[in-house]
Amino acid sequence: GESVGLHLPTLSVQEGDNSIINCAYSNSASDYFIWYKQESGKGPQFIIDIRSNMDKRQGQRVTVLLNKTVKHLSLQIAATQPGDSAVYFCAENMGNYGQNFVFGPGTRLSVLP
Amino acid sequence: DTGVSQDPRHKITKRGQNVTFRCDPISEHNRLYWYRQTLGQGPEFLTYFQNEAQLEKSRLLSDRFSAERPKGSFSTLEIQRTEQGDSAMYLCASSFGLDNEQFFGPGTRLTVL
Repeated sequence: GESVGLHLPTLSVQEGDNSIINCAYSNSASDYFIWYKQESGKGPQFIIDIRSNMDKRQGQRVTVLLNKTVKHLSLQIAATQPGDSAVYFCAENMGNYGQNFVFGPGTRLSVLP
Repeated sequence: DTGVSQDPRHKITKRGQNVTFRCDPISEHNRLYWYRQTLGQGPEFLTYFQNEAQLEKSRLLSDRFSAERPKGSFSTLEIQRTEQGDSAMYLCASSFGLDNEQFFGPGTRLTVL
């Protein structure tokens, strides 16, 4: 299949541990953020989103934290599983609904058995 | 499978040739997006349709690129006089109304020789 992100920063975690993936975004005017997961040979898959009027949002096994002061976004994955191995991207949107999203460079997550 | 399909999955062409890609979004989705992704990078926004209207184009979309969505359903992306720098994965995504979750297709991998 297609290889995504051959030279990306890599985070290796032990199966069952928690993972934290970080992202610095660029525009202080951005008010909507999404985390995507991309597996080899596939398009990005929505994981979780957050608006700028929130600083934390939880999903199933995932939590997104937003720090607007330092323009930082993080994705926490609880009890990481082998199926979580993928490249993770954060994306920011500068105000318009679902239009121009700017993606970060991505982080490869490798889950060790 | 997200329900968004793209055709072809792979395209190899010689420099100077024209290529056309097709995207079939999820049927009830009124918004359709095209992105370009190169190895090691996140997707870059190219253009966006709401129904048949092309509402936004990135400066990345040079005059060699044209996109259409004639009946507000499927969309085509044409690249004329391809250059080696056009080699990339071309991703299509769709969404419905103000729901910002974009569903991505598997992409078309273009290689320009």
